[in-house]
Amino acid sequence: EVQLLESGGGLVQPGGSLRLSCAASGFRFSDYAMNWVRQAPGKGLEWVSTITSSGGSTDFADSVKGRFTVSRDNSKNTLYLQMNNLRAEDTAVYYCAKGGPTTLSSFDSWGQGTLVTVSS
Amino acid sequence: DIQMTQSPSSLSASIGDRVTITCQASQDISKYLNWYQQKPGKAPKLLIYDAFNLETGVPSRFSGGGSETDFTLTISSLQPEDIATYYCQQYDSLPFTFGPGTKVDIK
Repeated sequence: EVQLLESGGGLVQPGGSLRLSCAASGFRFSDYAMNWVRQAPGKGLEWVSTITSSGGSTDFADSVKGRFTVSRDNSKNTLYLQMNNLRAEDTAVYYCAKGGPTTLSSFDSWGQGTLVTVSS
Repeated sequence: DIQMTQSPSSLSASIGDRVTITCQASQDISKYLNWYQQKPGKAPKLLIYDAFNLETGVPSRFSGGGSETDFTLTISSLQPEDIATYYCQQYDSLPFTFGPGTKVDIK
């Protein structure tokens, strides 16, 4: 059974940083692209970032480009999202989602999410 | 970027009703359209991929259709456990984009 467990969320001041982690199990992590998707309180879903299976290529939504980086450690089956220069509008539940063998694929499994609150 | 729209934004229907949600893409996305179900307080769940393929374990009362720019999600007989918000998403090209969602509840 695929399991994705996010951690690292919390309260941070504007301009601060936070690193989210997503621990994966139940599948061959190194074979799949991975994604981050966020959902602001009471709002819809917003794709944030994608990383290829090898970690060699990444992409970001314009709203976070230059502030967020994504990485993965295939030896630890873990995905990361480094968030810098956080803004109030980054407040959201952040989900990691499993993709397919290629970047352009469905998100077939999701974690339970971790809440990030940016506030002074 | 490809813009996704959905209609209606919300609907109320009776148990056993046939429910249809539409999704429109701002440009041709071929068949690269997913539907997700999100229940309150829960993570989204993939229902349908490639416009009409049912994800494993999803009840057969759910079906998807369409291609290019116009797509539908149909629930053939609404059940109480189908109360949720439904999102379409295109994965034809980056950035991936979601529709605004359709909230379904029981009349």
